[in-house]
Amino acid sequence: EAQVTQNPRYLITVTGKKLTVTCSQNMNHEYMSWYRQDPGLGLRQIYYSMNVEVTDKGDVPEGYKVSRKEKRNFPLILESPSPNQTSLYFCASSSSSRGGQNEQFFGPGTRLTVL
Amino acid sequence: GESVGLHLPTLSVQEGDNSIINCAYSNSASDYFIWYKQESGKGPQFIIDIRSNMDKRQGQRVTVLLNKTVKHLSLQIAATQPGDSAVYFCAENPPTTSYGKLTFGQGTILTVHP
Repeated sequence: EAQVTQNPRYLITVTGKKLTVTCSQNMNHEYMSWYRQDPGLGLRQIYYSMNVEVTDKGDVPEGYKVSRKEKRNFPLILESPSPNQTSLYFCASSSSSRGGQNEQFFGPGTRLTVL
Repeated sequence: GESVGLHLPTLSVQEGDNSIINCAYSNSASDYFIWYKQESGKGPQFIIDIRSNMDKRQGQRVTVLLNKTVKHLSLQIAATQPGDSAVYFCAENPPTTSYGKLTFGQGTILTVHP
């Protein structure tokens, strides 16, 4: 089954304790993205990756890091989480170039609470 | 800055009616638009997309209309069903950015009453 998986689905942590949220897709997609979703603010892109070792900042990259060492994986790293990073996080992947359909497949989400 | 927004944050309809969800975008150079549906507790799900060289595109029970003159996008859902109740987002991909970058609107809550 084609899917995007995220782990963990729920996480409660404390300020300053480094954490990683994993994301994996089994569709051989080139593009992968991370979003955060907050009430009243909708979905905001954090980082995205066009392919292995190619990443770029989205709209809200501060406080986050990403890496793309393998095509299927795109982990989101919070080196020193703060309470304002409490949010619902989504990973997404897609395959096409600008000439094709850009259907982004989203993962189920990770709800993060930073105390 | 450039943004994608929605005219109506909530929409309530009766089962069987047609629904229209609107979206205004500000970047006149955007050339690709997508509608997503997000059900409670789930990630967004692709519904339909449209490129700027088209005015209309139809899917199964859904139609997207693009009016470039007034920078307006709409999603029409025919014979709305209770299972259509969700939050609907429009998103745009400005051509000056990498293709992986999407900007989402705030979302419209659609409630379908039986």
